[in-house]
Amino acid sequence: RKEVEQDPGPFNVPEGATVAFNCTYSNSASQSFFWYRQDCRKEPKLLMSVYSSGNEDGRFTAQLNRASQYISLLIRDSKLSDSATYLCVVNPDSNTGKLIFGQGTTLQVKP
Amino acid sequence: EAQVTQNPRYLITVTGKKLTVTCSQNMNHEYMSWYRQDPGLGLRQIYYSMNVEVTDKGDVPEGYKVSRKEKRNFPLILESPSPNQTSLYFCASSLFGQGAGNIQYFGAGTRLSVL
Repeated sequence: RKEVEQDPGPFNVPEGATVAFNCTYSNSASQSFFWYRQDCRKEPKLLMSVYSSGNEDGRFTAQLNRASQYISLLIRDSKLSDSATYLCVVNPDSNTGKLIFGQGTTLQVKP
Repeated sequence: EAQVTQNPRYLITVTGKKLTVTCSQNMNHEYMSWYRQDPGLGLRQIYYSMNVEVTDKGDVPEGYKVSRKEKRNFPLILESPSPNQTSLYFCASSLFGQGAGNIQYFGAGTRLSVL
């Protein structure tokens, strides 16, 4: 089983749609979680950190479910510019700087 | 401008010819890391450094070396490159290497082909 798993997609949605991505992680001791966005052939960029209580940034909402060991990202009112690959990232050991990236979920927003 | 700079951006080389990919950050970050990205495998961590003179293996360190003699620089060395090291490489840095502070800023990437 991979340490961090994501559905690779692609998710094809119309503009204005709401779309949700899930990510599961295997190490129950993991403490820090992030969502990154990566455009084609570009470097990943932080979208948002994921906090235990859940957090929202504009149209984006991230949630953490420790009991089930999954993280979610909800995008409301999708824009064409949201088309990208979304990477789930987990720090499995808070005493080290090791990071595990999921394979990414590809989103394609169509007009 | 705050940034992580990798060089070169593109490199074609032959098997066995030693090469170095440089990485420099101007944000006074403690933590730096190298990743490789391959289709179907995602980003995998090669090595990381929590601070000067402190380096640790990531998930795929075989065939690579790193050094952290100065805070701003973290070069990736391939002593004897092989075709299976053909990949897209990213360097990243963050203020702290632990917990919620580990927000990574990535360089633009180095596309390496080993023939």
